[in-house]
Amino acid sequence: GQNIDQPTEMTATEGAIVQINCTYQTSGFNGLFWYQQHAGEAPTFLSYNVLDGLEEKGRFSSFLSRSKGYSYLLLKELQMKDSASYLCAALRYNQGGKLIFGQGTELSVKP
Amino acid sequence: ETGVTQSPTHLIKTRGQQVTLRCSSQSGHNTVSWYQQALGQGPQFIFQYYREEENGRGNFPPRFSGLQFPNYSSELNVNALELDDSALYLCASSPDRDDPEAFFGQGTRLTVV
Repeated sequence: GQNIDQPTEMTATEGAIVQINCTYQTSGFNGLFWYQQHAGEAPTFLSYNVLDGLEEKGRFSSFLSRSKGYSYLLLKELQMKDSASYLCAALRYNQGGKLIFGQGTELSVKP
Repeated sequence: ETGVTQSPTHLIKTRGQQVTLRCSSQSGHNTVSWYQQALGQGPQFIFQYYREEENGRGNFPPRFSGLQFPNYSSELNVNALELDDSALYLCASSPDRDDPEAFFGQGTRLTVV
């Protein structure tokens, strides 16, 4: 079957570091995406991991372990504007790529 | 700005009615996917179109149908609307079905009353 799990909500303090975990189980796995979504808006691309390891992009980093079916998104130097939902999505390839999303993690950044 | 636009942005329909949602993909993108996102949930894959033909479908009933046109636009049609169809509908275009990156539109918020 297909299953993507991530925590429903997290709270962190401005300036701190937060790690959002995601575990996945899907056939035809071809990579892991992270998206940020503010309320009422479309998801915006943050990162894409296809190989094991850490990808760093400014304040955001993403990690993937294919053997463990595990990924995390690391946000450093948190800002108030980082308050949003963070969506983990597995790319499932079967005659074309389809994204299988988790339910999203609602991150609240407090002063 | 992703270059993907959807219309309308908001829509209210009555149960039992039919609705058509529209998406304009980036020029040159031959693949478009549609997703349904209920409040507080992640997007759920409805179906994908590649070169004007359906290229995979999620767990949605046949009253959800789509079309893709040669001019990089597409439609999502929903017949016999139910209250549970109330959601944000997102389209995402890709340069090709083998290209992993999807560019999302801003979505259409559909409310069924």
